[in-house]
Amino acid sequence: NAGVTQTPKFRILKIGQSMTLQCTQDMNHNYMYWYRQDPGMGLKLIYYSVGAGITDKGEVPNGYNVSRSTTEDFPLRLELAAPSQTSVYFCASSYPRTDGGEKLFFGSGTQLSVL
Amino acid sequence: GNSVTQMEGPVTLSEEAFLTINCTYTATGYPSLFWYVQYPGEGLQLLLKATKADDKGSNKGFEATYRKETTSFHLEKGSVQVSDSAVYFCALRVKGEYGNKLVFGAGTILRVKS
Repeated sequence: NAGVTQTPKFRILKIGQSMTLQCTQDMNHNYMYWYRQDPGMGLKLIYYSVGAGITDKGEVPNGYNVSRSTTEDFPLRLELAAPSQTSVYFCASSYPRTDGGEKLFFGSGTQLSVL
Repeated sequence: GNSVTQMEGPVTLSEEAFLTINCTYTATGYPSLFWYVQYPGEGLQLLLKATKADDKGSNKGFEATYRKETTSFHLEKGSVQVSDSAVYFCALRVKGEYGNKLVFGAGTILRVKS
């Protein structure tokens, strides 16, 4: 099983450029998430989605946009890249369980540098 | 608000030493609690979880008990190995406007020396 697939793995952008980080999952999960990981800061939630057509802001949504037109795909868009967006980005998916728990499946991450 | 506080690292131990990584949280309601592990160059993996007070999550020799009275979920292992070297994240799950979301701590680096 592929699980959660993110592309690209690495990218360097110039200030003001735009790009889309791709994320796709083949587990038919309703929930999908985008996190950024900064050194010493842990993971911060950017956006999340509970199903196709439904998205919501996380803790640090400014400078990003998302869409969820299908269950499988949850792309993250940076419109005007800024140095503050230099980070490692993780996409994740999950499904709610009857025992109240939740298992999150993470992609391998995208390392983005904005120079 | 909802937040997770972990002990600062790095934590450096010798092989077979006892490990404790402290984690405390603040949350409204009764969150589920998780520990995730990130090995070098990889994404995060779920290590263990607990969904209600007094539950004990365990996996690969690691354990953590959900302590509602102290709002804690400390990670322990009786005898660490070099292969346990990684970054460990404590997290809680809370309800957002449209569904659940995970709130993570800052992560604790563990280094195990042979």
